[in-house]
Amino acid sequence: GAVVSQHPSWVICKSGTSVKIECRSLDFQATTMFWYRQFPKQSLMLMATSNEGSKATYEQGVEKDKFLINHASLTLSTLTVTSAHPEDSSFYICSAGTRNTGELFFGEGSRLTVL
Amino acid sequence: KQEVTQIPAALSVPEGENLVLNCSFTDSAIYNLQWFRQDPGKGLTSLLLIQSSQREQTSGRLNASLDKSSGRSTLYIAASQPGDSATYLCAVSDYKLSFGAGTTVTVRA
Repeated sequence: GAVVSQHPSWVICKSGTSVKIECRSLDFQATTMFWYRQFPKQSLMLMATSNEGSKATYEQGVEKDKFLINHASLTLSTLTVTSAHPEDSSFYICSAGTRNTGELFFGEGSRLTVL
Repeated sequence: KQEVTQIPAALSVPEGENLVLNCSFTDSAIYNLQWFRQDPGKGLTSLLLIQSSQREQTSGRLNASLDKSSGRSTLYIAASQPGDSATYLCAVSDYKLSFGAGTTVTVRA
């Protein structure tokens, strides 16, 4: 299947700093990428839909000024957690889809710990 | 709003037994349904994708069925192995992807 790469896998930061997570589709072009958040023992919750060349669409309750999403090219989307706080500690996962089947492929996830 | 439910939440079976995982969804107007596997602390691995026009998909020991009219999908894993221990998530795609909470499977050697 198609490969989606996410970086970094683990990040620890101090409260108040910003953290950027990258999501790349390695062998296909993704016009749309999705960002999810997962708390321990809970399912994935969609945060936002990232469309190449346009503004991201955020789900209700997700602060767009806190979670900045940029989809600069057909193979790269970034999520920046600004002024991170301990409650932002979570597992963040991105996914990207192929045009023809609608199948989604997921990155390995990025575990953020805010001290 | 689409709601996806997975039953049971957890399952423990001896090695060799067949596994049956259930997924139900409230809105039958879906594009497709996908089953994923998630190992602890890891991302998702796609197992099977069933388009809305299909009734089942098979891959090796895995078989997934889809009954759109009743809003149900079942994932069967034949002859389970300890390596099958993981959390299995189903997700339905309409405008967006909605996930169930998952079924955590433990296969005892």
